[in-house]
Order: sequence, then structure tokens, then C-alpha cells
Amino acid sequence: DAGVTQSPTHLIKTRGQQVTLRCSPKSGHDTVSWYQQALGQGPQFIFQYYEEEERQRGNFPDRFSGHQFPNYSSELNVNALLLGDSALYLCASSFSGVYGYTFGSGTRLTVV
Amino acid sequence: QKEVEQNSGPLSVPEGAIASLNCTYSDRGSQSFFWYRQYSGKSPELIMFIYSNGDKEDGRFTAQLNKASQYVSLLIRDSQPSDSATYLCAATEDSSASKIIFGSGTRLSIRP
Repeated sequence: DAGVTQSPTHLIKTRGQQVTLRCSPKSGHDTVSWYQQALGQGPQFIFQYYEEEERQRGNFPDRFSGHQFPNYSSELNVNALLLGDSALYLCASSFSGVYGYTFGSGTRLTVV
Repeated sequence: QKEVEQNSGPLSVPEGAIASLNCTYSDRGSQSFFWYRQYSGKSPELIMFIYSNGDKEDGRFTAQLNKASQYVSLLIRDSQPSDSATYLCAATEDSSASKIIFGSGTRLSIRP
């Protein structure tokens, strides 16, 4: 039973560029949430997708956008990258948030 | 701003002793609470969840919830060096359970 898979593992981008991160949820899960985790901090909620729609959004600018596909996989897009966007981006899937999320291994994004 | 607060540590505990980790939350509507373990450079791993007042035990781990005091704790008995990690406390945002908010984590170090 595959868990949550994320790609790529690591990424280096230049300021101003755009990036797309990908996530496949755990089998049986239909909800995908994205988090940003800066070094030494807890994960910060970016947004959540359910039934191919953004259900909730955290305090992140519109440069952060996403998508969920019919097979429940999801993408996170970040435009006009800033140095401050450097972080570990975590995808988490769930069937119901009551029982918690299962996290992928994350994508380490470095903006130079 | 709904928050989950933790002491950042580090908390140093001798091997074999009980480690006690604490967390408070601001949203009285939160229904479910979680403890995640995160090793350095890795993604968070769910170790316990609790939604009823009182204690919940799973092996060497006991989660405690006091909704009146908005307080959650995690006890780790017979601490092992492999328990050295950052422990993240998390709570659902109100009754929707669709969004989980994380604290900044407590770094636990088990000394031999």
C-alpha cells in the first residue's frame, strides 16, 4: 500500500521563476493538504483540496495556487519565487481530518 | 488567529525516564488533537490522536486531553535514544476537522 508520494525531492530555483510540486495521496484518501515548513518552524497550512476544489486556504498570497485531479493527485504551483519561499513543502492526505493526516516525504525547495 | 503553542525546548531527558511534552490551543471549537514526531530532515509521522477528555495509551505513549483547560500533553515512558526528535502538537480548526493547525514543535533529546 503506497503512502503519500511527492516529487521532486529537491529543487533549486532562481528568484522570479515558477515551480510546480506534485503529490499522489495515500490509497483510499481523497483530501490533499499542502504545508510549508521553514527551518525550525512547524508546518504552515497553505490550502486543502477536496473533490477537485480548494476547500480551505491559509494566509498565503495568490502566488501560491493548486489543483486536484480526478484521481485525487494534486499540484502546488508557486509563481514569482522569493528567497523567503525556500522551505520544505509537505503534502498530506486524509480521508477525514478527524483521524489526522499522512505526510509525504516532502519537497525541499531552495530559491537562490 | 487560532494557534497551537508549544515550548520549543530543547527538553533533555535521561534514557529510561518519562518525557513529558505539553501543548495549549486557542480554538475552543477544536475537536481532534494530534502528536506527530519529526526526525531531522524528515517529514512528520503521526504517533497519537485523541478527541475525548482524559488519557489515551498506545504502547509507551500516553496522550492526555483537557478541553476545559485547552491543554494537550504527551508522555513517553521508558524513553529511548531513538525518541530524540521534534514533537509537533496539532489540532483541527473548529468542528470542520478539515484543517489541522500545527505548533512549532518541541525538540526532545534523550541522553544515554
